[in-house]
Parts: sequence; C-alpha cells; structure tokens
Amino acid sequence: EAQVTQNPRYLITVTGKKLTVTCSQNMNHEYMSWYRQDPGLGLRQIYYSMNVEVTDKGDVPEGYKVSRKEKRNFPLILESPSPNQTSLYFCASSFGASYGYTFGSGTRLTVV
Amino acid sequence: EDQVTQSPEALRLQEGESSSLNCSYTVSGLRGLFWYRQDPGKGPEFLFTLYSAGEEKEKERLKATLTKKESFLHITAPKPEDSATYLCAGTSGNQFYFGTGTSLTVIP
Repeated sequence: EAQVTQNPRYLITVTGKKLTVTCSQNMNHEYMSWYRQDPGLGLRQIYYSMNVEVTDKGDVPEGYKVSRKEKRNFPLILESPSPNQTSLYFCASSFGASYGYTFGSGTRLTVV
Repeated sequence: EDQVTQSPEALRLQEGESSSLNCSYTVSGLRGLFWYRQDPGKGPEFLFTLYSAGEEKEKERLKATLTKKESFLHITAPKPEDSATYLCAGTSGNQFYFGTGTSLTVIP
C-alpha cells in the first residue's frame, strides 16, 4: 500500500530533550515536506526537500532540523524542544512541488 | 506576502443542500491550487489540483474551479459522509501556503 509512515503517533517530552520524528514513504517520491498544524493557524510548512541532500526552509523553520540522506526518509529533529513546539506534525510527499501530497497520519507532540 | 484565505470558517448544510466553499489566494506566480479533505485525527487527503484559470475538476459530488484570484469547491447534494474540513493550498514553486480550512457539517 502506498503510504507515508510517521513515528511516533504521540509523544510527550520535556523541554530541552532532543527528539526525532521519523518519516518514510514507499512511493519513490522526490519531494517531501514537514508541516505543523495549530488551531486557527492551519498547516504551516517547516522544511521541504526536493531530493536527496537538497533541503530548504519553509515558513516556520526555527527550532527544527531535517536531513535527507535517502530518498524514502525525511526525519524531523528538534534539538532542544520548547513548549511552543507543542503541535500536530505532518509529513507529506509527492512526485514534485506541483503535484498533490500524500500525508502521513500525524504526530501529536507535547512539550512540557 | 503570499497567502491563502478560506471562507466561511464553518458551514452547516442539510443533506441535499448544495453550496460552495471559497479560497482566495495571493500567491505570486501560482503554479498550482490544491484542495484537500481532512477528517478529525487524520492527515489531509488530496482531492484536486488546478493549474490555470478556467480549469475545472470533478469528483463525485465535488467540483473545483479556479479563477485568477480565487478557487471554489462546489458541493452538490451533499451527504453526511461529506462532513470534514476542506483545505486549500497554493504553491509558487517549492513552498506551499495552506488556508485555515472550512469545517463542513452535513446534517441528515
């Protein structure tokens, strides 16, 4: 089944404790992206990647890092999480920036 | 500033009562306008991409149209299972700009 898989689905952590949210797709998509979704603000793009080793900032990149060492994987790294990063995170992939995304099921992150 | 604005925020319809959702955009050099459906607790599900003014696409009871300033999602004779949040997004290249969505409730 064609899908984007994110892990974990739920995560509660403490301020400053480094964490990684994994994202993997099995559709050979070149384009991958991370979003956060907050009430009243909608989906906001954090980082995107056009291909292996090619990444760029979206609208809200502060406090996040990404890497794209393999085509299928695009992990999101929070080096020192803070409470304002509490949010619902989605990974998405597509054949290119002008194509519709396939989204993962989301990761609900709480930073206390 | 590139942005996408959706209206209304929420819409309640009786089953069978047709209506339209609006998405206005100011995205420089728009290369695609997208519509997604999102159910509670799930990731958005892709519905349509529109590339140029005048383009229309249909899927079951949904029809999306695009002008130079806005897009409409027309829902004809909706059913309760059409209840969801509908999101639109524009892209000028590699960055995407999502609206905050319209929450649609269809009452039996």
